[in-house]
Amino acid sequence: KQEVTQIPAALSVPEGENLVLNCSFTDSAIYNLQWFRQDPGKGLTSLLLIQSSQREQTSGRLNASLDKSSGRSTLYIAASQPGDSATYLCAVGDFTGGGNKLTFGTGTQLKVEL
Amino acid sequence: DAMVIQNPRYQVTQFGKPVTLSCSQTLNHNVMYWYQQKSSQAPKLLFHYYDKDFNNEADTPDNFQSRRPNTSFCFLDIRSPGLGDAAMYLCATSRTTRVRETQYFGPGTRLLVL
Repeated sequence: KQEVTQIPAALSVPEGENLVLNCSFTDSAIYNLQWFRQDPGKGLTSLLLIQSSQREQTSGRLNASLDKSSGRSTLYIAASQPGDSATYLCAVGDFTGGGNKLTFGTGTQLKVEL
Repeated sequence: DAMVIQNPRYQVTQFGKPVTLSCSQTLNHNVMYWYQQKSSQAPKLLFHYYDKDFNNEADTPDNFQSRRPNTSFCFLDIRSPGLGDAAMYLCATSRTTRVRETQYFGPGTRLLVL
């Protein structure tokens, strides 16, 4: 059974810092890995999707990497801003039942302070 | 804008009183998912529909049922809510068949059981 772990559980940084969030998974037979953002009391917003054949994806100040063999992914946030404060969730996908089944980690709660 | 809509955003029910949560989508996606997210925990997939085909997760309690009358709508029925069913319920959609497809989430319905 796939298990996804995210470290740290919470992180507080001053504005402008570059930071890295970590995600690890136990079964490397994945099809893709996604990073989501969740604001308090809200749904999930997809940030980046990395296919199993890819090693990284970039969107603006965000860069996500994937090392399938070691079961690890990182989300790099450059020049952090207070608006980046949210919970970041990592999810790995496998293809069952015709859908992309996701197994989530518990998230890293990020606070960017002025 | 194409989107995933969940109603209501907040639902209060009594212990044992059946409740129905609603999800609709304008994306015309084939797959619709229901996730349960308890406080400070990872979202957990309950079940999903691929078109009209229902796919239940092995550990989803029988108390949880779902209906998909057409492409646009999907309902989550909780037959006899217990205190442990209080959670955020997230609906998501994807086009499926391709692993590069991301899932699009609605804002969630927060369920409180008294």
